[in-house]
Amino acid sequence: KAGVTQTPRYLIKTRGQQVTLSCSPISGHRSVSWYQQTPGQGLQFLFEYFSETQRNKGNFPGRFSGRQFSNSRSEMNVSTLELGDSALYLCASSERTANSPLHFGNGTRLTVT
Amino acid sequence: EDKVVQSPLSLVVHEGDTVTLNCSYEVTNFRSLLWYKQEKKAPTFLFMLTSSGIEKKSGRLSSILDKKELFSILNITATQTGDSAVYLCAVGIYGGATNKLIFGTGTLLAVQP
Repeated sequence: KAGVTQTPRYLIKTRGQQVTLSCSPISGHRSVSWYQQTPGQGLQFLFEYFSETQRNKGNFPGRFSGRQFSNSRSEMNVSTLELGDSALYLCASSERTANSPLHFGNGTRLTVT
Repeated sequence: EDKVVQSPLSLVVHEGDTVTLNCSYEVTNFRSLLWYKQEKKAPTFLFMLTSSGIEKKSGRLSSILDKKELFSILNITATQTGDSAVYLCAVGIYGGATNKLIFGTGTLLAVQP
């Protein structure tokens, strides 16, 4: 099976712009979660989508949003970018059963200048 | 507040050494504890632990969970330079609408030839 695929791999944006990141889960996985990884805060949970519905949301401002499509692919959007949004954004998919681990993609490295 | 604490923060060893990485946690709705290895990109899944006292093994790596004392250890025997990475501990919280991982800050392991 192909792994979790994230595009693009790298992005450079300026403050105030918006950005959309894409994630294709492992075939058969219907849960997609997004995490932000920074040197200072480590990996932090953004949100989870399952069956096209947001099921959980982490402690991030409303500028961070997402959606999931009927084929389980997911997008994450960040509006009005700030310098502090520079991070590695990781997508993970799972079968969403109690004992199914999350499998991560290679991430999108976002740099805001 | 849910938290996961890993120790040590970093570790330098020589090839052939045995290392033990620690992870303690305080969370509500604990479901599982997971270990991931992160080199340059995606965290790769190593182990998922749900029951106390049952060791999981994969080659030179092994891990065990103590749900009474709320900690886990990851052992790596006969270390190799390819084991150099950040090792992440995460606690899975799963129940009802909630399905997410709380990550520790990781242990940076450097294995010298």
